[in-house]
Amino acid sequence: DTGVSQDPRHKITKRGQNVTFRCDPISEHNRLYWYRQTLGQGPEFLTYFQNEAQLEKSRLLSDRFSAERPKGSFSTLEIQRTEQGDSAMYLCASSWGQSFYGYTFGSGTRLTVV
Amino acid sequence: AQTVTQSQPEMSVQEAETVTLSCTYDTSENNYYLFWYKQPPSRQMILVIRQEAYKQQNATENRFSVNFQKAAKSFSLKISDSQLGDTAMYFCASTSGTYKYIFGTGTRLKVLA
Repeated sequence: DTGVSQDPRHKITKRGQNVTFRCDPISEHNRLYWYRQTLGQGPEFLTYFQNEAQLEKSRLLSDRFSAERPKGSFSTLEIQRTEQGDSAMYLCASSWGQSFYGYTFGSGTRLTVV
Repeated sequence: AQTVTQSQPEMSVQEAETVTLSCTYDTSENNYYLFWYKQPPSRQMILVIRQEAYKQQNATENRFSVNFQKAAKSFSLKISDSQLGDTAMYFCASTSGTYKYIFGTGTRLKVLA
C-alpha cells in the first residue's frame, strides 16, 4: 500500500493552455474522488468514480473539465482552455466502499495559471 | 443541504497544553458521519478522528477526542498534550455516508515551543 499518488505536484501554465493531472489510488480502493481547494477554503467536491463509472459531477465542473478513470484504476483530470480562476490545489482521494470510513487523500496537484 | 462552519481561522497553543477547535454543522439527514482531518504544511490531508452520529459516545484517538453535541449540531476537537507536529490546518467535514464530503474552511493551528 503506497498511498494515493498524484502527478505532477506543481503545474504552472499559461492561460488558455490545456493541463492534465493524474491520480493513482490505493489499488484495493474502488472509489475515487476529485476535490478542489482554493486558498483559505476547504476542499470542494468535483467528481466521483465507482470503479470506472463517473457517478456524479459537481456544478463546479464546467464543460472545460473532464475526468476519466479507465479500467477503474488511475484517473485523469483535464482542464481545457485554463483560466486564472482555475488556480487551486486539486486533491484526489480514494476509499473502499462507503465513504463514511474516511478517505485516503493524495498530496495534491497545485495549479497556477498565469 | 449540508453545511459545515469553522469559526476560528487561526489558533495557537503552547506545547504540552490542551486546545479545542470548534465546528458546527447543519444537515437534514438522520444518519451522518463527522470527521476531523489534519493537513500539515505541504503534505497530504490525513484523517484524525471520525464520529458516527447515531453513537452517543464521543470518539477518542490517543491525544485527540471530540465533543459531539448532536442537538446543538456541534462537533469540537480537543487535542491534549499538544506537540509541535500537531501544527497544521484542521478541517471539519461531514457526509451522509454516500460519497460526498462537505468541508469547513479550516482552522490553522500553531503549536508554540
